Amino acid sequence: QQQVKQSPQSLIVQKGGISIINCAYENTAFDYFPWYQQFPGKGPALLIAIRPDVSEKKEGRFTISFNKSAKQFSLHIMDSQPGDSATYFCAAVDSNYQLIWGAGTKLIIKP
Amino acid sequence: NAGVMQNPRHLVRRRGQEARLRCSPMKGHSHVYWYRQLPEEGLKFMVYLQKENIIDESGMPKERFSAEFPKEGPSILRIQQVVRGDSAAYFCASSPAQGGEQYFGPGTRLTVT
Repeated sequence: QQQVKQSPQSLIVQKGGISIINCAYENTAFDYFPWYQQFPGKGPALLIAIRPDVSEKKEGRFTISFNKSAKQFSLHIMDSQPGDSATYFCAAVDSNYQLIWGAGTKLIIKP
Repeated sequence: NAGVMQNPRHLVRRRGQEARLRCSPMKGHSHVYWYRQLPEEGLKFMVYLQKENIIDESGMPKERFSAEFPKEGPSILRIQQVVRGDSAAYFCASSPAQGGEQYFGPGTRLTVT
């Protein structure tokens, strides 16, 4: 049973544009929501994370927006660059400290 | 400060052989997690270990798969009598504490022929 739904599956954005990836969850016990970036042939790397008591977190060009009532959160990449081309995974941590992963979004930034 | 290390990076096994995947966590990390990733898919949790203890193995197949994290040395994920369906990338992550941020290794890509 997929507990974290991620969309879109793939995304193409022009260089300089805004990339937006959305995730939704069902389990209200989740209390930590990280985003991971994965390049081909590499392991996932933690990009940015948020807790549900905060509605937004920004680190450089990356922003997480969190809507607790809607049980949704999203990643925004401002001024997208070709080097941002990767697969992005949202995740949620449950009460057993397990990472529950979204299915991933393959992002391509066109120069 | 070296990151999470996994070896081998690539492993080819014939059907019926055993595969042993190793993971050395980051220095100071005593919590290790194993995940499996199929092409074009997200990661699937397999097992969570602390030194000498299996904390959660709810994602491990009941047969042929086992994991350990001894007091000394790396964590080992062992797959006995491999089948073609075991072909995947296996990632290890470590964290300094339960519920802490997980840092991933580069993965081991297992191919079963």
